[in-house]
Amino acid sequence: GESVGLHLPTLSVQEGDNSIINCAYSNSASDYFIWYKQESGKGPQFIIDIRSNMDKRQGQRVTVLLNKTVKHLSLQIAATQPGDSAVYFCAEGTGGGNKLTFGTGTQLKVEL
Amino acid sequence: GAVVSQHPSWVICKSGTSVKIECRSLDFQATTMFWYRQFPKQSLMLMATSNEGSKATYEQGVEKDKFLINHASLTLSTLTVTSAHPEDSSFYICSATGTSYNSPLHFGNGTRLTVT
Repeated sequence: GESVGLHLPTLSVQEGDNSIINCAYSNSASDYFIWYKQESGKGPQFIIDIRSNMDKRQGQRVTVLLNKTVKHLSLQIAATQPGDSAVYFCAEGTGGGNKLTFGTGTQLKVEL
Repeated sequence: GAVVSQHPSWVICKSGTSVKIECRSLDFQATTMFWYRQFPKQSLMLMATSNEGSKATYEQGVEKDKFLINHASLTLSTLTVTSAHPEDSSFYICSATGTSYNSPLHFGNGTRLTVT
């Protein structure tokens, strides 16, 4: 079946460095992609989204890049802070609905 | 901003009993709510999609008679785990979306269920 997966289960970065979290998706029909942050014991928190008619979208300290040719999604976090430590999930959807398929997640650890 | 509230945040029950989890949209009308299950160190797995006033649509492999979903109003959906067993212990998360096309999805903070 279709699936969304991540390359790296754990990413450790130094405080102040930039972080890049990657995600590969396999459903070519997906047209909506979202990055979520999940802290321990809490629900997912929306970070940023992007639609398939865009290649890049920027938010506050975060940038999402979408490469539809290779079905790849990435989340870039600038000047990573200790508060960014969490598990990050990509998710994909189709047709404007909110039924999402989540990737396996990446644990981001920020070292002081 | 939009808030989705889940209750309880954690619950411990004995094997064989049933547990009800509530998901409420606090400041918007949620026509659709989704229920997810998340095991430790794993991703969120969609269990079912719940539309207000109609029967829930369950994902393949999810027992509808075991996980009863009710979405009787635009602000409340409930998930009842019937005859719970230790393997049902998990983190259950709901999400809700509003009435407009492309309405954003809001997540609750989850319910930690432990079955002893």
